[in-house]
Amino acid sequence: AQSVTQPDIHITVSEGASLELRCNYSYGATPYLFWYVQSPGQGLQLLLKYFSGDTLVQGIKGFEAEFKRSQSSFNLRKPSVHWSDAAEYFCAVGAYNNNDMRFGAGTRLTVKP
Amino acid sequence: GAVVSQHPSWVICKSGTSVKIECRSLDFQATTMFWYRQFPKQSLMLMATSNEGSKATYEQGVEKDKFLINHASLTLSTLTVTSAHPEDSSFYICSAPGSSYEQYFGPGTRLTVT
Repeated sequence: AQSVTQPDIHITVSEGASLELRCNYSYGATPYLFWYVQSPGQGLQLLLKYFSGDTLVQGIKGFEAEFKRSQSSFNLRKPSVHWSDAAEYFCAVGAYNNNDMRFGAGTRLTVKP
Repeated sequence: GAVVSQHPSWVICKSGTSVKIECRSLDFQATTMFWYRQFPKQSLMLMATSNEGSKATYEQGVEKDKFLINHASLTLSTLTVTSAHPEDSSFYICSAPGSSYEQYFGPGTRLTVT
């Protein structure tokens, strides 16, 4: 079965600074990879996803992620963080049949003024 | 885009009572829905897969008699927490798969058992 590791539990960045959230996955085949964002007390919103093709994917809210098969990674990046980006971010890996999505432990992002 | 709703968004119940949480796909049909549980500051843990017209599939360690799932139609799945106890207090989130392998999540239901 697939699994996901998010090494950073909590990250603090200054507003306007760049951001990178790490995600490593384990899966025997080509993974379907996702990044979701969750605001306090809310459900999850899809930021971006990767299935195949271009390994650099663009998402909503100015986020992008790069799939690196050799490193089993799918790190999320944003060049300039806004205060409204403060939230919990989850990386997830899915299987081809879409019936088993596994989530990482999440990374909580705090944005300093 | 696809929208999934949950009702109620927040519920308080007394220990020993049962509570039902609804999950609806508003603008699409879902033969499968997923139920997750999320403890504070933790990740989502898949509890069960709800299947329209058949029994739900539960993850290992999840009590099927305690967490009753019914997928009544192509747009509705319900999770009933029976004989609730304080340790059942949690944030419950449902999701439905989209056409491109992602899942659409409901806003969640916060259950507090007193």
